[in-house]
Amino acid sequence: NAGVTQTPKFRILKIGQSMTLQCTQDMNHNYMYWYRQDPGMGLKLIYYSVGAGITDKGEVPNGYNVSRSTTEDFPLRLELAAPSQTSVYFCASSPSHGVPQHFGDGTRLSIL
Amino acid sequence: KQEVTQIPAALSVPEGENLVLNCSFTDSAIYNLQWFRQDPGKGLTSLLLIQSSQREQTSGRLNASLDKSSGRSTLYIAASQPGDSATYLCAVRDTDKLIFGTGTRLQVFP
Repeated sequence: NAGVTQTPKFRILKIGQSMTLQCTQDMNHNYMYWYRQDPGMGLKLIYYSVGAGITDKGEVPNGYNVSRSTTEDFPLRLELAAPSQTSVYFCASSPSHGVPQHFGDGTRLSIL
Repeated sequence: KQEVTQIPAALSVPEGENLVLNCSFTDSAIYNLQWFRQDPGKGLTSLLLIQSSQREQTSGRLNASLDKSSGRSTLYIAASQPGDSATYLCAVRDTDKLIFGTGTRLQVFP
């Protein structure tokens, strides 16, 4: 029972580099979400998707892009990494809005 | 704009105590409210979800209440144990998004 799987678990990037954070879920959930969590703060929504081919912006989308070509995968891309994007990134999924979301263990990203 | 606040930010109690964590939100037009647990280095685990039409939910030693009109929720933990040590986050569903509080870091010592 894998649930929501995020890779990598840790990554250090240089300013200006790009990378993709991977997120896969095996529960056939339609809804998927990307959050960032800064130290001592709650989670803030970056992007979300209500199904394959559909994505929408959350509270803090600037500097990020997403795609949702399949139900299982929801990758998050950073095109030009900036120090302000140093954070812990969480992916989550749920079958619908009214039920709890399932979270991955997070990707800890440092940009130096 | 919906804002969610949790008080206290940190709490340290001896094992066996009953305790209450507080969550307040500024806009009462919510769909539901959830309480999560976060262990260090891990993701979030959903503990309880209260629909906007409900007043409380219970799971084992946990009881969560919701008062929409006053914009408040409480998480009651009975007979706390060291294994309850974690950060507890509340989140309100605002249309299709979850708005999170900053959490209460709980330590239960033997």
